[in-house]
Amino acid sequence: EVQLVESGGGLVQPGRSLKLSCAASGFTFSNYYMAWVRQAPKKGLEWVATISTSGSRTYYPDSVKGRFTISRDNAKSSLYLQMNSLKSEDTATYYCARHETGRGYYFDYWGQGVMVTVSS
Amino acid sequence: DIQMTQSPSSISVSLGDRFTITCRASQDIGNYLSWYQQKPEKSPKLMIYRATNLEDGVPSRFSGSRSGSDYSLTINSLESEDTGIYFCLQHKQYPLTFGSGTKLEIK
Repeated sequence: EVQLVESGGGLVQPGRSLKLSCAASGFTFSNYYMAWVRQAPKKGLEWVATISTSGSRTYYPDSVKGRFTISRDNAKSSLYLQMNSLKSEDTATYYCARHETGRGYYFDYWGQGVMVTVSS
Repeated sequence: DIQMTQSPSSISVSLGDRFTITCRASQDIGNYLSWYQQKPEKSPKLMIYRATNLEDGVPSRFSGSRSGSDYSLTINSLESEDTGIYFCLQHKQYPLTFGSGTKLEIK
């Protein structure tokens, strides 16, 4: 059974940093692109970052480019999101998601999410 | 960036009725569209991939279709468990973009 379990969320002041983790199990982690998707309270979904299988390629929207860094450790089946220079608008539930491989790279599995609150 | 315009934003439907949600893509996305259902306090669940393919385990009353730049999710014979928010996602190119969501309630 595929499982994605996020951790590392919490309350952080504006301008500070936070690192999220996602522990994957139930599949061969190194074979899949992985991503982070966030959802502000009572709002829609926003894609935040994607990383290739080896970690050599990363993709971000303009809203987080230069502030957030996605990384992975295939030996530990773990995905990370380093978030720097946090802003109040980064307040959201952050989901770890697996990109399907072979039929279009949509998200086929999601974690339960972790809350990040940016406030003074 | 590709914009996904989703409609309606909310709707109340009677049990047993048929219901359709639509996402219009601002550029060609070539069927690289998926649909997700989200229940309160839960993570999204994949329902349809590549515009028309039903994910394993999803009831057959759900279906996806395409007409030009319009992509639709249809629920035939609505059941109470179908309530929630539905989102579309284009995964043709980065940045990946979601529709704004449709909240489905039972009348």
